[in-house]
Amino acid sequence: QKEVEQDPGPLSVPEGAIVSLNCTYSNSAFQYFMWYRQYSRKGPELLMYTYSSGNKEDGRFTAQVDKSSKYISLFIRDSQPSDSATYLCAMTLNSGNTPLVFGKGTRLSVIA
Amino acid sequence: GAVVSQHPSRVICKSGTSVKIECRSLDFQATTMFWYRQFPKKSLMLMATSNEGSKATYEQGVEKDKFLINHASLTLSTLTVTSAHPEDSSFYICSAADASSGNTIYFGEGSWLTVV
Repeated sequence: QKEVEQDPGPLSVPEGAIVSLNCTYSNSAFQYFMWYRQYSRKGPELLMYTYSSGNKEDGRFTAQVDKSSKYISLFIRDSQPSDSATYLCAMTLNSGNTPLVFGKGTRLSVIA
Repeated sequence: GAVVSQHPSRVICKSGTSVKIECRSLDFQATTMFWYRQFPKKSLMLMATSNEGSKATYEQGVEKDKFLINHASLTLSTLTVTSAHPEDSSFYICSAADASSGNTIYFGEGSWLTVV
């Protein structure tokens, strides 16, 4: 079993839809969870950063972490064509000095 | 958010030559930086962890003599691809941890290397 599992998609939704992206993981010691957005031929851009379990909201984006189920989610409300990108979940044991473990990324297309 | 800058963004070099890629944290100090490699439509593959003032820690399977990493200051890490071959052509990305914001990890824009 891989440390972090993420459905690669592609996922195609109409503009305005609510998008749900998910990752599962096997290492219960992960404490920090992140979602990055990566446009083609660009570096990943940090979207959300959460510590331990709980929800975090930032504009149209909501991140959820359920450590008991080893499951994290990213919700995008009112999706826009500009949201079309690859979304990578990432997690780590300790902040800063420990490398991130990434999911494979989910390719999202929002169709106008 | 914090900015991590990579240079060059694109480079083409001849087989057998060496090329250096720089990664700078522009508005924070980073004791630790990470170097990744990414193939088209694939996720990021960690190559090495770069620690300021000490030797880098390489992942299994990454040749440390081929991919030289130097982290000489708290704002700069460099990756040198030595004796480059066409199979080294890839997208190289660095990241850095910003201790002032809870060690949030930010990524550079990436560097496209093409070896001809």
